[in-house]
Amino acid sequence: GAVVSQHPSWVICKSGTSVKIECRSLDFQATTMFWYRQFPKQSLMLMATSNEGSKATYEQGVEKDKFLINHASLTLSTLTVTSAHPEDSSFYICSASRDGSFYEQYFGPGTRLTVT
Amino acid sequence: KNQVEQSPQSLIILEGKNCTLQCNYTVSPFSNLRWYKQDTGRGPVSLTIMTFSENTKSNGRYTATLDADTKQSSLHITASQLSDSASYICVVTMFSGGYNKLIFGAGTRLAVHP
Repeated sequence: GAVVSQHPSWVICKSGTSVKIECRSLDFQATTMFWYRQFPKQSLMLMATSNEGSKATYEQGVEKDKFLINHASLTLSTLTVTSAHPEDSSFYICSASRDGSFYEQYFGPGTRLTVT
Repeated sequence: KNQVEQSPQSLIILEGKNCTLQCNYTVSPFSNLRWYKQDTGRGPVSLTIMTFSENTKSNGRYTATLDADTKQSSLHITASQLSDSASYICVVTMFSGGYNKLIFGAGTRLAVHP
């Protein structure tokens, strides 16, 4: 149990376009989902925390208007990178928690975004 | 400052050998410590999780130790296999502002050669 999927697994887009990444908890209900960004040879950096049905909480330095997060249901959260630029190229990973306590987070396989 | 530092940054060992990865942290208040394995291009997968009162925990060939007094943890890999090649990330959970927050180490990149 506790499987988290992401779609797509990799995406290439042109500069200035927007791209949406989906994160799904397949066999449990996730009250809280987290979005991380990971640059090459660096560790995961938390971007935002989203609770189902409410606005996401963004970490300091993360532009909320650029990285739109929607957590419309207990099994789906989406991250939309708007007006993407090459510096947004990164590995985006989501995780999901059953109870929002941060105690156990189950990570998705990640999405590789390349902006040309 | 709440930090998690891992050493070495990278490590190369021969298949079948053992190795130990280190994690030092300055996170307070401490909730728990986890070790994750992250294959290239994949999300992290949990190996072990230890609370304050636990000194050691095993998961197959992986054994994690925790010394909460010195704020140090180690991950020992026994009889390494080629599939152990990955990044190993130490993550400390702290309790802050009414909720738990994960503090990630930079990871140790392990390469197991035949």
